[in-house]
Amino acid sequence: EVQLVESGGGLVQSGGSLRLSCAASGFTFTYHWMHWVRQAPGQGLVWVSHIDNNGGRTTYADSVKGRFTISRDNAKNMVYLQMNSLRADDTAVYYCVRDRNLAFDIWGHGTMVTVSS
Amino acid sequence: QSALTQPPSASGSPGQSVTISCTGTSSDVGGYNYVSWYQQHPGKVPKLMIYEVTKRPSGVPDRFSGSKSGNTASLTVSGLQADDEADYYCTSYTGSNNNFYVFGSGTKVTVL
Repeated sequence: EVQLVESGGGLVQSGGSLRLSCAASGFTFTYHWMHWVRQAPGQGLVWVSHIDNNGGRTTYADSVKGRFTISRDNAKNMVYLQMNSLRADDTAVYYCVRDRNLAFDIWGHGTMVTVSS
Repeated sequence: QSALTQPPSASGSPGQSVTISCTGTSSDVGGYNYVSWYQQHPGKVPKLMIYEVTKRPSGVPDRFSGSKSGNTASLTVSGLQADDEADYYCTSYTGSNNNFYVFGSGTKVTVL
């Protein structure tokens, strides 16, 4: 079964850090770009970051650039999102998402990040 | 990069059709045939419904169709069913190092 499982969310104070992890299974991980997408409570979906197949190219939304870092470990089928200098408006469910044909075809169930001010 | 513009709401009776628009710019929707659409029921994970403007993933009913003209993409749901009531989001690849993808603001579809 194709699956993405996120972990690492939680409650953190403003200015703090968290590292999200995403475990991929059921598909050839190295064939796919991977993304993080977030959704604040009651709000819409927002693309956060992307990493290419081998980690050679990463991109970020303006709102997180310089604070978040995406990485992957192809030997472990894992994607990570290191989040630093967290702010209240980073509060959201964070989804790990697989890219296929430049669309988001497989989504994890998400991990909640709450930043308290 | 601003979010793509979608109407906040749309509605139709069972069996009718509803069309949702998604307006961007020549840097996103108009510049690439990489528009996709997602359905999200309350409390659930988004589901891919359309990719590459018009293509349906396996398992998505052919009641769902996509199109594009200029900087505006559209999703049409025909033969509305109760389970189609959900939020729908478009997204477009931009290719830019800043905001590589951009989502639409979302449309709540209500089945009357």
